[in-house]
Amino acid sequence: NAGVMQNPRHLVRRRGQEARLRCSPMKGHSHVYWYRQLPEEGLKFMVYLQKENIIDESGMPKERFSAEFPKEGPSILRIQQVVRGDSAAYFCASSPVPHNEKLFFGSGTQLSVL
Amino acid sequence: ELKVEQNPLFLSMQEGKNYTIYCNYSTTSDRLYWYRQDPGKSLESLFVLLSNGAVKQEGRLMASLDTKARLSTLHITAAVHDLSATYFCAVSGTYKYIFGTGTRLKVLA
Repeated sequence: NAGVMQNPRHLVRRRGQEARLRCSPMKGHSHVYWYRQLPEEGLKFMVYLQKENIIDESGMPKERFSAEFPKEGPSILRIQQVVRGDSAAYFCASSPVPHNEKLFFGSGTQLSVL
Repeated sequence: ELKVEQNPLFLSMQEGKNYTIYCNYSTTSDRLYWYRQDPGKSLESLFVLLSNGAVKQEGRLMASLDTKARLSTLHITAAVHDLSATYFCAVSGTYKYIFGTGTRLKVLA
């Protein structure tokens, strides 16, 4: 049973470009969480999605950021017109049910904005 | 708003010594999680504490939960170099898991 798969592992973008981060949850998991980690800092909650629904996006910046989790395919975190401050590690986690005993984390995507 | 605070933020300790990391959270929750993160890596689940008074131990690590005090501790016994990592506690809110600031532990030989 494959774990949570994130790709790409590293993503380099120039200012103004778009970044698309993908997350395939573990098999049987329909709950996906996205977190951002700045260097030397903790994990900041961004968004919680279930299949085809955004449940809680209170941690998402109002502009330029969006997330989806379609019926088929991976969850996508999209950042438009990236700026240097978007440089961070973005982690995805999944669980089979809400308030599960634990979250299963992917390896993360390191986004670098030049 | 649910907030989770850890202290200390940084901890440098000698091998063989004992120490405790503290995790305070701001609102009622009966689930507390501890994770470990190695540099450049993802997070690995260590413990899940599901009720007041819960205690769990794995090797040199022991975690406990006091829901009345809204406090969890992660106790390290006779530290070894392999325990060097960043440790996060987390609490589950209505729809999300909120993580603490992390404690970066460095065990010196």
